[in-house]
Amino acid sequence: DTGVSQNPRHKITKRGQNVTFRCDPISEHNRLYWYRQTLGQGPEFLTYFQNEAQLEKSRLLSDRFSAERPKGSFSTLEIQRTEQGDSAMYLCASSLQGGDGYTFGSGTRLTVV
Amino acid sequence: LAKTTQPISMDSYEGQEVNITCSHNNIATNDYITWYQQFPSQGPRFIIQGYKTKVTNEVASLFIPADRKSSTLSLPRVSLSDTAVYYCLVPRDSSYKLIFGSGTRLLVRP
Repeated sequence: DTGVSQNPRHKITKRGQNVTFRCDPISEHNRLYWYRQTLGQGPEFLTYFQNEAQLEKSRLLSDRFSAERPKGSFSTLEIQRTEQGDSAMYLCASSLQGGDGYTFGSGTRLTVV
Repeated sequence: LAKTTQPISMDSYEGQEVNITCSHNNIATNDYITWYQQFPSQGPRFIIQGYKTKVTNEVASLFIPADRKSSTLSLPRVSLSDTAVYYCLVPRDSSYKLIFGSGTRLLVRP
């Protein structure tokens, strides 16, 4: 297992377009998280899944954002009608319930032009 | 979730020991103290976690006084590659959502 994998690493899109990011967690981890990070700030929690169930969503996750984790494996984060304010690094992480710490992926850097 | 306060930045030189202190005055009885490291264009990486006294691993040591209202991450003999942002967190559950502050930007100079 090579850790948490995120694709693509970079995405440039025009304002108003839809984008989708994928996260493949560590296979035995049952929890999966999405965070967003802007320059100079720490990551901000967006949402998390336990298996396939989405258990919590941050107020940061507007109705243009949707996340799924079908079958409790990989996850996708979709942003509809992107805005320039959506430009950020989107980080995925996974963990084992009751385990020590998270494992983060390297993130997807989104630039909305 | 307990709020944490840590220095915005620190400078050091190669070979020195670096100690980064974090305060978490309203830490709860069941809270653990966790530290992450983040390099540019990468996700944060778990470094160390502890509940009380001292924890040591191959990367760092974590010192936690008896009142647990603060903690100190100690990096022995830093190198240039230790230049990163270090985050102190107090998650309620080690696998629950993490609330990051702005972290401490450590710059190691040659």
